[in-house]
Amino acid sequence: GEDVEQSLFLSVREGDSSVINCTYTDSSSTYLYWYKQEPGAGLQLLTYIFSNMDMKQDQRLTVLLNKKDKHLSLRIADTQTGDSAIYFCAAITGTASKLTFGTGTRLQVTL
Amino acid sequence: DAGITQSPRHKVTETGTPVTLRCHQTENHRYMYWYRQDPGHGLRLIHYSYGVKDTDKGEVSDGYSVSRSKTEDFLLTLESATSSQTSVYFCAIQSTGVGYTFGSGTRLTVV
Repeated sequence: GEDVEQSLFLSVREGDSSVINCTYTDSSSTYLYWYKQEPGAGLQLLTYIFSNMDMKQDQRLTVLLNKKDKHLSLRIADTQTGDSAIYFCAAITGTASKLTFGTGTRLQVTL
Repeated sequence: DAGITQSPRHKVTETGTPVTLRCHQTENHRYMYWYRQDPGHGLRLIHYSYGVKDTDKGEVSDGYSVSRSKTEDFLLTLESATSSQTSVYFCAIQSTGVGYTFGSGTRLTVV
């Protein structure tokens, strides 16, 4: 089945850019997602990219997809303290559109 | 949040007792999912449903059963709770367009 991997922790200074990376194994994944989870809360869909796209930009967020290497990244420009959260990469696979999640990357934003 | 509610929000139960968690949606979506979230594992799929009385197993289904007798309700039952089932449980629906919408979660502690 699909396997999605992420690094566990990233620390950046306020105002800098953050880049969170993710790799996946199933080349048939159709959609790839980034979710954000703040402490004690549920998951909030941040953005997604379809597998035939290389890049998607949405305000401060830029998603890059390298389908050959099965690598996905999320860049957050001008990172703010409110961006501190856990970020999950997820891929849709199979006929039941099941989402497979990475372990999550905890983003810490320091002043 | 987007027509999906989970109950209860918190529960403490004793080892060996049965527990049922409820997920209710108001949007008539066909697909519903139960995930558990544990540190270092991200979210893992327990069971999912693709219609009334149509369910299937996810990657961590042992010790869990589900039922869906109405489109709007998807129940997750722990037949005999164990300490390894202490976790945060999330229900999700596959929203129109792309992406999933998640409930706020149920924090279950088995003592």
